[in-house]
Amino acid sequence: QVQLLQSGAEVRRPGSSVKVSCTASGGSFSSYAISWVRQAPGQGLEWLGKFIPMFGTRNYARIFRGEITIAADGSTAYMELSSLRSGDTAMYYCACGPYYDMYHIADLKIWGQGTLVTVSS
Amino acid sequence: DIVMTQSPDSLAVSLGERVTIHCKSGQSLLHSSNNKNALAWYQQKPGQPPKVLITWASTRESGVPDRFSGSGSGTDFTLTISSLQAEDVAVYYCQQYYNTVVTFGGGTKVEIK
Repeated sequence: QVQLLQSGAEVRRPGSSVKVSCTASGGSFSSYAISWVRQAPGQGLEWLGKFIPMFGTRNYARIFRGEITIAADGSTAYMELSSLRSGDTAMYYCACGPYYDMYHIADLKIWGQGTLVTVSS
Repeated sequence: DIVMTQSPDSLAVSLGERVTIHCKSGQSLLHSSNNKNALAWYQQKPGQPPKVLITWASTRESGVPDRFSGSGSGTDFTLTISSLQAEDVAVYYCQQYYNTVVTFGGGTKVEIK
């Protein structure tokens, strides 16, 4: 069973960027789709985007397009978010799960422990 | 994007009582290719990442207690906990994966009365 280990907490200034990593142990991402989900303090879950390594396909939530990049290299996935604002302060999760075609994922079965990103001046 | 609306926002139920959570999607989630609804339910306890309970609207994940069940089709879905246990205190989310852009419901907080 794959387990996901994320990089440590980050503090960034407004306007800067952050890159969070997610490493798969006990397997690789080759047979999964990778999604990134964030959760602001006391708030709900917000899907950011996904990457399907088998096909190289990716797409992002509308509000993040132009500011987010999701990629993977072997057993490590990355999410980079630029032009950070205070509203981007949140716990960022990577998650992986099945896909049912080259553009569509299914549920998010395995989750990382989360990476807290704080944006503050 | 498909908007997912959950209700209620929160509820408090006595131990052993039934819990019903509703999730409504802005469009049908029924796939004509496999006749399944592209909807999952998650449980999130404080300080933990979410855990998937139900996939394809009604398929319970391995290891999930059978007091959890999912039902519904098209645009209206329900998560039921048949007999609330103390360890079920959590926030529950629905998620659609019909679209290439995945969206979550706003969450329902379940507490003990």
